[in-house]
Amino acid sequence: KQEVTQIPAALSVPEGENLVLNCSFTDSAIYNLQWFRQDPGKGLTSLLLIQSSQREQTSGRLNASLDKSSGRSTLYIAASQPGDSATYLCAVIPYNQGGKLIFGQGTELSVKP
Amino acid sequence: DTGVSQDPRHKITKRGQNVTFRCDPISEHNRLYWYRQTLGQGPEFLTYFQNEAQLEKSRLLSDRFSAERPKGSFSTLEIQRTEQGDSAMYLCASSLSRGQGGNQAFFGQGTRLTVV
Repeated sequence: KQEVTQIPAALSVPEGENLVLNCSFTDSAIYNLQWFRQDPGKGLTSLLLIQSSQREQTSGRLNASLDKSSGRSTLYIAASQPGDSATYLCAVIPYNQGGKLIFGQGTELSVKP
Repeated sequence: DTGVSQDPRHKITKRGQNVTFRCDPISEHNRLYWYRQTLGQGPEFLTYFQNEAQLEKSRLLSDRFSAERPKGSFSTLEIQRTEQGDSAMYLCASSLSRGQGGNQAFFGQGTRLTVV
């Protein structure tokens, strides 16, 4: 059974710091991995999607890496800003399960001005 | 197209009442998913449709829950005889899938259910 774990559960950093969020998964048989952002009381916004054949994806100040063999992904946020404060969720799509996402519990990020 | 739309955004109901939520996916997307999220947790899969066919239901979806997607367009999720444990955010997502591969999912803003 696929399980996704995110560490840390919460993180507080001063503005301007670079930071790394971690995600691990137990079964490497996945199609892709996605990182999402969730603001309080809101839905999910997709940030980056990494196909299983890829090693990383970049969008602006965000860079996500994927090491499928070790079951790990990281989300790197450069030069953090207070507007980055939110919960970040990673999720995988396992093989042959209809495209459903298996989520971690999220990392709640707070960037202090 | 404005993305995935969910209605209502918030619902407060008394225990024992029935509630129904609606999801309008991105128009060309053939897959539609329902998830439930409780405070401090990641979303958990409930069920999904490919076109109008409901292909999988999680064991989280008790007999009080039913979902439909008539004509393969919008979907409804009904909860009968609500319980306080049903209080959660209900999220809908859609994707365009060809074959078995995983495709990017787009989420709605969710429906926050509070059972009092």
